[in-house]
Amino acid sequence: QSALAQPASVSGSPGQSITIACIGSSGDVGSYNLVSWFQQYPGKVPKLIVYEGHKRPSGVSNRFSGSKSGNTASLTISGLQADDEADYYCCSYAGSNSFVFGGGTKVTVL
Amino acid sequence: QVELVQSGGELKTPGASARVSCQPSGYTFNTYGINWVRQAPGQGLEWMGWITPSNGNTNIAQKFLGRLTLTTDTSTATIYMDLTRLTSDDTAVYYCARTQVLDYWGQGSFVLVSS
Repeated sequence: QSALAQPASVSGSPGQSITIACIGSSGDVGSYNLVSWFQQYPGKVPKLIVYEGHKRPSGVSNRFSGSKSGNTASLTISGLQADDEADYYCCSYAGSNSFVFGGGTKVTVL
Repeated sequence: QVELVQSGGELKTPGASARVSCQPSGYTFNTYGINWVRQAPGQGLEWMGWITPSNGNTNIAQKFLGRLTLTTDTSTATIYMDLTRLTSDDTAVYYCARTQVLDYWGQGSFVLVSS
């Protein structure tokens, strides 16, 4: 199972919107509506911010939104804030209770 | 509230085995599957395997076949991850995470493999 492809880094100024792509295949992202996105600060536990492609857990800011088109899932952060600076990972179900992560994207707020 | 509490970190020598436990609370133990995910220092997240506590069924990532065993102890509501034939490449923080959306995570257990 190959890792999902994410850009290594994305940056933006405060208030701007940024989008992180997560490119999979017909065997994972393209076949299931089970893409999750995680935010991770250095040395901390990953935190679920989007699940089932576009849903947000309770308490997660609506500035985070997810979508999917074909084999590509995307996470958009709108109204970028300083504390959005973190690593972001996508993860997709790949069938038979198996999963695959993206390589992670470091978001920098300029 | 839902919590997944993991065992503490371990120092292992190359060739040894490591066991990490994960004890969920705040929900019915058998209800949800558990993933194991690891993160080497400075690296990304890597999915290792899944266990369905209600029946013990597992799915292990190809990379870990033959080295990784996931088990449950229903009497103590604990899930175990056993990784054998450790090398320095296995030095990582190991996490358990609940369900197919990985909604709740353990605090992580650091396994250092060094001679």
